[in-house]
This record gives sequence, C-alpha cells and structure tokens, in this order.
Amino acid sequence: AQKVTQAQTEISVVEKEDVTLDCVYETRDTTYYLFWYKQPPSGELVFLIRRNSFDEQNEISGRYSWNFQKSTSSFNFTITASQVVDSAVYFCALSEAGDSSYKLIFGSGTRLLVRP
Amino acid sequence: DSGVTQTPKHLITATGQRVTLRCSPRSGDLSVYWYQQSLDQGLQFLIQYYNGEERAKGNILERFSAQQFPDLHSELNLSSLELGDSALYFCASSVDPGPQETQYFGPGTRLLVL
Repeated sequence: AQKVTQAQTEISVVEKEDVTLDCVYETRDTTYYLFWYKQPPSGELVFLIRRNSFDEQNEISGRYSWNFQKSTSSFNFTITASQVVDSAVYFCALSEAGDSSYKLIFGSGTRLLVRP
Repeated sequence: DSGVTQTPKHLITATGQRVTLRCSPRSGDLSVYWYQQSLDQGLQFLIQYYNGEERAKGNILERFSAQQFPDLHSELNLSSLELGDSALYFCASSVDPGPQETQYFGPGTRLLVL
C-alpha cells in the first residue's frame, strides 16, 4: 500500500495564481514526521519543511504555507502568488519513528508548471 | 547549496560495467543515506550508514554495495550494470539517524547505462 499519495501528477497555473499541492499519508505510528522537498529542473532535492505528528499548527514561510490535518491524514502545501521560479517537482515524504531505518518514504511527486 | 557534495555529476557507462559514486556529507553530519530516483520506481531508499557502520538496508540490489569511511564520506558501488540501473542517485546526510532529523540531499549523480 502506498504510504504517501500525491494524486496530482501535474498542475499548470498562470503566474500570480495560488496553488495547493495535496499530500495524503498513511501510517500506524503515532510518532512520525512529514516533509516537503522541491526538485527544480536542475535536479537537486531542496528541503522545504519538516512537521512532526504532534504539531498540527499550520506554518507560513513567505509565499509558502502548509496545512497539516491529522483527521484526514493530509499535509497540503500552498504557494500564494506563484512565480515562474516555483516551477519544479514537489515531493511529500514521511518518516516513521517505528521504522528503524528512519528512511524517507516519498510520494510520486507533483510537477508544477507556472506560466508567465 | 545543501552542503552535501556528490561526484561525479554525470556518468555514462555500458552494461556489465562497474561504477563508484561518491558522497561527502555536510560538515558535522554522521549519517548518510543513499536513494535512487528512477522514472518507474520514483525515489527509493537504498541504504543508510551512521558513523561508519551500516544501519539499515532498503531495496538495494545485491549487485550494489556501499561503505562509509572514517572521514565520513561514502561510496556507492554499482556492478554488473544493467540498462534498468539508469537513474539519478542521491546521497543525503543528517546529524544523527532519527525520524525527526532532516535529511539534506546532494545534487545527485545521473547514471546512464547504455
């Protein structure tokens, strides 16, 4: 069973539009961590945010905001007033305290294209 | 720049060959992870090292091996290469192993097997 689902394969928006990237996760652990990474066309993976399972406060960082809802097992990412430089593939990932490898389990990614 | 370095950036080789990918973690990080990103499998965990010792294995093929040296750099060895091994290989590092630790990724090595 897929543990991290990013149902949106590709999203295309026009610059300055707001866009939300969805992430749904599945775990039996009560302690877990959720992450978002950005992969621009150059290929590297850039860390954006980490959230633990006990902290459901939403977080805002500039134009980026994250909405964590345990009730729906979702950790969605919103970009406000999108810019062309936001074009990238965005990955949601899960790390479980009960998994001794502490590996990141990645979703399949959402490709965001921001058109000028 | 995450502080994690990987060499080479690109590698083109033939089936049946062996290659070595190198990773230097961020200063102060003791834990190194290797991941493979392919079109059909997505991002998959391969193996983890902590302070020179292997800690965990994921979906790593027997043809692949890795090690972490006393200076904490790590190498991933891929042998008897097949076309399907073509992928982007990432190294990530964190201070300690642990689910709460943020893994910082290197720029990756893009391997093409012809």
